[in-house]
Amino acid sequence: DAGITQSPRHKVTETGTPVTLRCHQTENHRYMYWYRQDPGHGLRLIHYSYGVKDTDKGEVSDGYSVSRSKTEDFLLTLESATSSQTSVYFCAITGAMNTEAFFGQGTRLTVV
Amino acid sequence: QQPVQSPQAVILREGEDAVINCSSSKALYSVHWYRQKHGEAPVFLMILLKGGEQKGHEKISASFNEKKQQSSLYLTASQLSYSGTYFCGTEWSMNRDDKIIFGKGTRLHILP
Repeated sequence: DAGITQSPRHKVTETGTPVTLRCHQTENHRYMYWYRQDPGHGLRLIHYSYGVKDTDKGEVSDGYSVSRSKTEDFLLTLESATSSQTSVYFCAITGAMNTEAFFGQGTRLTVV
Repeated sequence: QQPVQSPQAVILREGEDAVINCSSSKALYSVHWYRQKHGEAPVFLMILLKGGEQKGHEKISASFNEKKQQSSLYLTASQLSYSGTYFCGTEWSMNRDDKIIFGKGTRLHILP
C-alpha cells in the first residue's frame, strides 16, 4: 500500500471555527490533491499541488486554503467552517502526470 | 468541468456484463478508472493514455476513443466483488500543473 495518511480521520467542529486537515505521504510523490466527496457529486477537486509551494485551485476552492512547505505534507484549512463544508475529504498523490493516483483513507468532517 | 458518467447506477445479477461510460467536453490526454467500496477509499483499476491501446486485467477492461473524447469500462461475467462505485478521472494534458478531475460516479450493485 502507498504510504499516505490523513489526520484526523473524524472531526466534529462548530460553525465559524478554523479547521486544518493534514495529508502526509512517504512516497516522495510530486503531486498531491484534496477532494471532497458528497452524495450525488462524486469527487470534486478542492486544491492541488504540483510541487513544494506550488499549488492551484480546483473546482470548489471557495472557503478553503492549502499549504505545502514540504514534499510530504499537504495541509487543507477551512478558515471559518460552515455547515456546507460537512463532507468526506480525500487526499490523493501521484508520482507524475497521467499515472496512478493513491488515496488516503479519508477524513469525515462534520460542521455543526 | 467534471466528465459525465453514465449510467448513474446499474443493478446486475452475478455473471452478467456491464458497461460504464465516461465522456468529456474537452480533449483528453488520459482517462483513469477507480472503484470505491462503501466506507473505503477509491482504488485504482487502470489508466488509458492518448494513443494507447485498450487495456484490461482479468474480466475488467476499458477503451479510450480520443475522437469522441470518451472512455468505456467493461465488466464481463460480473462477480459479487465488483459491487461498488466506479469513477473515471480525466487529465487533459501532460503539463506539470495539470490535475485529475473525476466524474460523479456510477453505482454498481451485483445480486447473487
